[in-house]
Amino acid sequence: SAVISQKPSRDICQRGTSLTIQCQVDSQVTMMFWYRQQPGQSLTLIATANQGSEATYESGFVIDKFPISRPNLTFSTLTVSNMSPEDSSIYLCSVGQGSEAFFGQGTRLTVV
Amino acid sequence: AQSVAQPEDQVNVAEGNPLTVKCTYSVSGNPYLFWYVQYPNRGLQFLLKYITGDNLVKGSYGFEAEFNKSQTSFHLKKPSALVSDSALYFCAFSPLVFGKGTRLSVIA
Repeated sequence: SAVISQKPSRDICQRGTSLTIQCQVDSQVTMMFWYRQQPGQSLTLIATANQGSEATYESGFVIDKFPISRPNLTFSTLTVSNMSPEDSSIYLCSVGQGSEAFFGQGTRLTVV
Repeated sequence: AQSVAQPEDQVNVAEGNPLTVKCTYSVSGNPYLFWYVQYPNRGLQFLLKYITGDNLVKGSYGFEAEFNKSQTSFHLKKPSALVSDSALYFCAFSPLVFGKGTRLSVIA
């Protein structure tokens, strides 16, 4: 199994600012995923990040709003840009190993 | 579109009673199906998966799930519920696509 460290665990941010979330994995993985979990709702995949290539975004998510970096096989960042209260969510990093997925503890973001 | 559905938002069970959390799927081909649990203020934890083989899959914390192809279901079960099982449960396909989640409350 993979152990994932995600930082920060929570933050309260002013609207119009940006927050970068970090995800560190204890092993090398090819695919990393970023999810959003809005209050009381399920997980929605934002994008898939492979090392050495541009992230692939799901419908409804764009790179300008959620830029992603994947500089190596153990690390990725997700930035939530120009935040508004509607961006208040839990953001989760996930990695795939074989047929399984492992998740970080999430970043609880509140935009005020 | 391929998807999983969790028809119940909330399931309430008395401690010691059997519990079932329902999941149905709409997937072409052979599905990879998963159950995850999310405890308050914590990330998702893997419970079990079905890839192929026996239809009854046993997982963590005494949970099991039965893959039923004819009913396109993958219900999560436990013979005797514990208060500590109270959490949010997600059925997932592949494992990137998640159901909406079912909140399980086990009452002492």
